[in-house]
Amino acid sequence: DAKTTQPPSMDCAEGRAANLPCNHSTISGNEYVYWYRQIHSQGPQYIIHGLKNNETNEMASLIITEDRKSSTLILPHATLRDTAVYYCIVRVVNAGKSTFGDGTTLTVKP
Amino acid sequence: SAVISQKPSRDICQRGTSLTIQCQVDSQVTMMFWYRQQPGQSLTLIATANQGSEATYESGFVIDKFPISRPNLTFSTLTVSNMSPEDSSIYLCSVIPGQGNEKLFFGSGTQLSVL
Repeated sequence: DAKTTQPPSMDCAEGRAANLPCNHSTISGNEYVYWYRQIHSQGPQYIIHGLKNNETNEMASLIITEDRKSSTLILPHATLRDTAVYYCIVRVVNAGKSTFGDGTTLTVKP
Repeated sequence: SAVISQKPSRDICQRGTSLTIQCQVDSQVTMMFWYRQQPGQSLTLIATANQGSEATYESGFVIDKFPISRPNLTFSTLTVSNMSPEDSSIYLCSVIPGQGNEKLFFGSGTQLSVL
């Protein structure tokens, strides 16, 4: 699996958009970008994933650059409950195991 | 989606003993994994639990220390053997349902403290 790099921490004001970057410059053509978050030592929760097109669901949007070497997870209206560690992972679909990096600790402040 | 029940949710154990953690999924899944999360750290993959055969271990993890069983497509166990305080971690079961659903789902984890 390709390696990912994320900033260790970020702050965001409640109600504002949170933009979390991820660098995956060695990503292969068949690797997807997945985002998960972990709230206070609970099991990680799936957020969104994509291959090369931008994706949106009820939780977030995922913007992948045209060269696929980086991506941004966008939480459009952050709430205090979005405070968590966010992990960006790249992996081949059907290949099984996922390698977690250090993630970004997002703190949403009132 | 897949609903994962992991037991026990937490335990405090004595040095030198062993603990078996159970992972039950509400539907048949293609792949099951066990992760470890040491205090303040990210998740580290221990092994892939293979149905009906020996688990596939990652570098740094061995079967004698972390024996894993997966008798069917919905159940797996991880045993932490001959525990030491360094084994104090959260242990997480995760699954990929397969058949078009390639998302990774996690159980709520087992918080293990070794005295």
